[in-house]
Amino acid sequence: EAQVTQNPRYLITVTGKKLTVTCSQNMNHEYMSWYRQDPGLGLRQIYYSMNVEVTDKGDVPEGYKVSRKEKRNFPLILESPSPNQTSLYFCASSTRGYEQFFGPGTRLTVL
Amino acid sequence: KQEVTQIPAALSVPEGENLVLNCSFTDSAIYNLQWFRQDPGKGLTSLLLIQSSQREQTSGRLNASLDKSSGRSTLYIAASQPGDSATYLCAVGRDSNYQLIWGAGTKLIIKP
Repeated sequence: EAQVTQNPRYLITVTGKKLTVTCSQNMNHEYMSWYRQDPGLGLRQIYYSMNVEVTDKGDVPEGYKVSRKEKRNFPLILESPSPNQTSLYFCASSTRGYEQFFGPGTRLTVL
Repeated sequence: KQEVTQIPAALSVPEGENLVLNCSFTDSAIYNLQWFRQDPGKGLTSLLLIQSSQREQTSGRLNASLDKSSGRSTLYIAASQPGDSATYLCAVGRDSNYQLIWGAGTKLIIKP
């Protein structure tokens, strides 16, 4: 089944404790992206990757890191999480010109 | 700068009605436009993708149209059902499908 998977689905952590949210797709898509969704602000892009070893900042990259060492994986790293990074995070993948597929989301709470 | 607006922000209709959701964008130079559905606390499901050269796309009871010259897209839902209740988002592709500009969504409630 074609899908985008994210782990964990839910995470509660404390300020400053490094964490990684994994994202994996099995569709051989070259493009992957991370979004965050907050009430009243809609979906905002954090980082995206056009292919292996090619990443770029989206609209709200501060406080986040990404890497794309393999085509299927695109982890999101929070080196020192803060409460303002409490949000619902989505990973997405696509091939050029075609629809984007989204993961189920990761709900992160930073205390 | 491209901006995407969805009106209304919320809509409540009785079951069985045909309805139209609107999406407008400020720059007609788009690559494509997608409609998504999001259920509460869940991920996004792509409903329809319209390429810039197309006028409409259909899937089951859903029909999406695109008028680039007027900067508008509509999502038509025929014979609405309670299971259609969700938030519907439109997103415009910039120079490729890679980067999307999002509308804020229309929250749709279908009353049994």
